[in-house]
Amino acid sequence: EDKVVQSPLSLVVHEGDTVTLNCSYEVTNFRSLLWYKQEKKAPTFLFMLTSSGIEKKSGRLSSILDKKELSSILNITATQTGDSAIYLCAAGVHTGNQFYFGTGTSLTVIP
Amino acid sequence: DTGVSQDPRHKITKRGQNVTFRCDPISEHNRLYWYRQTLGQGPEFLTYFQNEAQLEKSRLLSDRFSAERPKGSFSTLEIQRTEQGDSAMYLCATLTRATNEKLFFGSGTQLSVL
Repeated sequence: EDKVVQSPLSLVVHEGDTVTLNCSYEVTNFRSLLWYKQEKKAPTFLFMLTSSGIEKKSGRLSSILDKKELSSILNITATQTGDSAIYLCAAGVHTGNQFYFGTGTSLTVIP
Repeated sequence: DTGVSQDPRHKITKRGQNVTFRCDPISEHNRLYWYRQTLGQGPEFLTYFQNEAQLEKSRLLSDRFSAERPKGSFSTLEIQRTEQGDSAMYLCATLTRATNEKLFFGSGTQLSVL
């Protein structure tokens, strides 16, 4: 059965801290790994990763894929209260153009 | 702006009523997905269209659920005889080669069944 597991389930940090969110996947015919941020509404796209070892970066957020370990991490440096959200990862597969989502990591950043 | 709009944003209905949601992607978004998300869970796949063809349906999609995408443009998701367990956020997402195969979501429809 195809599945995506995220850890930790929730995290509380102080402003300025650096956090690392984990995503592992077990899917057949893997194509891509996507990260989303969700703040009480629909998920907004952050990154799509298809190649191992190549870091994608956007401001204080960065992400990398490890196809050997079937995992990805999302790093957020110098966290701000506006980073408080649920972070979702999804594994895309070639078969049927499907995407399988994890349950998300709930991040709370305290001032 | 993801180029995907959903209507309505919120819907409150009584158990047993029928509801219909609409998703409007911009014209070149040839692949369209419906997902359902409940509190504390990630989005769960419901169904998928390639242009007007419905190519895949989840086992979650009982016979009370039906989706259409006439002419490969907008899509509708109808739930008949709603149950309290249908309360969830219903998300439409699209994917196109123009966005390099990234999945973009609409704003969602929050359904509450009383």
